[in-house]
Amino acid sequence: DQQVKQNSPSLSVQEGRISILNCDYTNSMFDYFLWYKKYPAEGPTFLISISSIKDKNEDGRFTVFLNKSAKHLSLHIVPSQPGDSAVYFCAVGGSNYKLTFGKGTLLTVNP
Amino acid sequence: DTAVSQTPKYLVTQMGNDKSIKCEQNLGHDTMYWYKQDSKKFLKIMFSYNNKELIINETVPNRFSPKSPDKAHLNLHINSLELGDSAVYFCASSQEGSGRGDEQYFGPGTRLTVT
Repeated sequence: DQQVKQNSPSLSVQEGRISILNCDYTNSMFDYFLWYKKYPAEGPTFLISISSIKDKNEDGRFTVFLNKSAKHLSLHIVPSQPGDSAVYFCAVGGSNYKLTFGKGTLLTVNP
Repeated sequence: DTAVSQTPKYLVTQMGNDKSIKCEQNLGHDTMYWYKQDSKKFLKIMFSYNNKELIINETVPNRFSPKSPDKAHLNLHINSLELGDSAVYFCASSQEGSGRGDEQYFGPGTRLTVT
């Protein structure tokens, strides 16, 4: 029973264009949402987060959008760069210490 | 200067053996975690310690036992290894509980292969 779903296993984008990665969750009690990036043979690294009191958070080329009514969040990367090619995980948290991760989306940015 | 380190990076062993994976963080964080990433690529929490106290213990076989000698270290000991234990194990740390949105810092992972 997946509480966090990333329905696109992979995404291919041209350099300079926008990358949009999506994530859906099932539990409305989650109130923190994070994106992690993972390169092969490395651990995930934190990218950006948003709390449930906001609907948008921006950090440079990365913007996370939260739609609480739809239980949906997305990560926008613009402009996309070849170095952005990695697996992106969304993760959600609630009032406990636990994060629940999605399965990840492999982003490939083509030069 | 590595923030979260794990040893070994690769571990190949036979069924029935007992093995340990070590994790150390030099970030001064209070909370540490063990995750398992299986063949389906899901990253699942196994355990979490806050100031050496166990705070998360997911549904994990009791062959898996975490040990936290101090808040900078969280080791994972696995008894009687089975084929299904083959996975990548990640250690992570955070200043507080990540359910509060506190970002976690991950180690590079330990790829365990049980033959």
